[in-house]
Amino acid sequence: KAGVTQTPRYLIKTRGQQVTLSCSPISGHRSVSWYQQTPGQGLQFLFEYFSETQRNKGNFPGRFSGRQFSNSRSEMNVSTLELGDSALYLCASSFRAVTDETQYFGPGTRLLVL
Amino acid sequence: GQQVMQIPQYQHVQEGEDFTTYCNSSTTLSNIQWYKQRPGGHPVFLIQLVKSGEVKKQKRLTFQFGEAKKNSSLHITATQTTDVGTYFCAGMGFMDDKIIFGKGTRLHILP
Repeated sequence: KAGVTQTPRYLIKTRGQQVTLSCSPISGHRSVSWYQQTPGQGLQFLFEYFSETQRNKGNFPGRFSGRQFSNSRSEMNVSTLELGDSALYLCASSFRAVTDETQYFGPGTRLLVL
Repeated sequence: GQQVMQIPQYQHVQEGEDFTTYCNSSTTLSNIQWYKQRPGGHPVFLIQLVKSGEVKKQKRLTFQFGEAKKNSSLHITATQTTDVGTYFCAGMGFMDDKIIFGKGTRLHILP
């Protein structure tokens, strides 16, 4: 069974730009969660999508948004990038819910904002 | 808001020594998960604890969930070089169904 895939793996943007990251979950998994990982703040939960609906949301500004498609693939968008958005963005998939069971993480997208 | 504190932040141990990391939540948790992240890698799920006072073992790893469901620990017996990495706990809140990660404990093994 293929694992969670994320594209692109690396990205360099400048302040004020926007970025879209993609995540393909493990086949059959319906829940996709997104996380931001930085050395200072560690792993922080962004949001969870299940069956195309946002089920849960962390404490991030509205510049961070996401969506999920009918095939469970998910995208995360960050608008008006700031230097502090430089981070490793991880997505994780699970069959039902992030709070109920094993999550499988993808390799992440490393975003650098200049 | 809910916070999950994890200590220590770093730990250096001689190969063969034991290692323990602790997580403490400001609120009661519905369950707690533990992950391991190797340097340059992504978090890998280790285990989930749900019941008050639960203890689970995976070979040399022992996981405990406190009676009050506000703290948890991971103990590794006789560490090996393959245990190197950062160990994270992630607590699921009862009231708001959010997942909060601890900052992690980075384990270094001295040969």
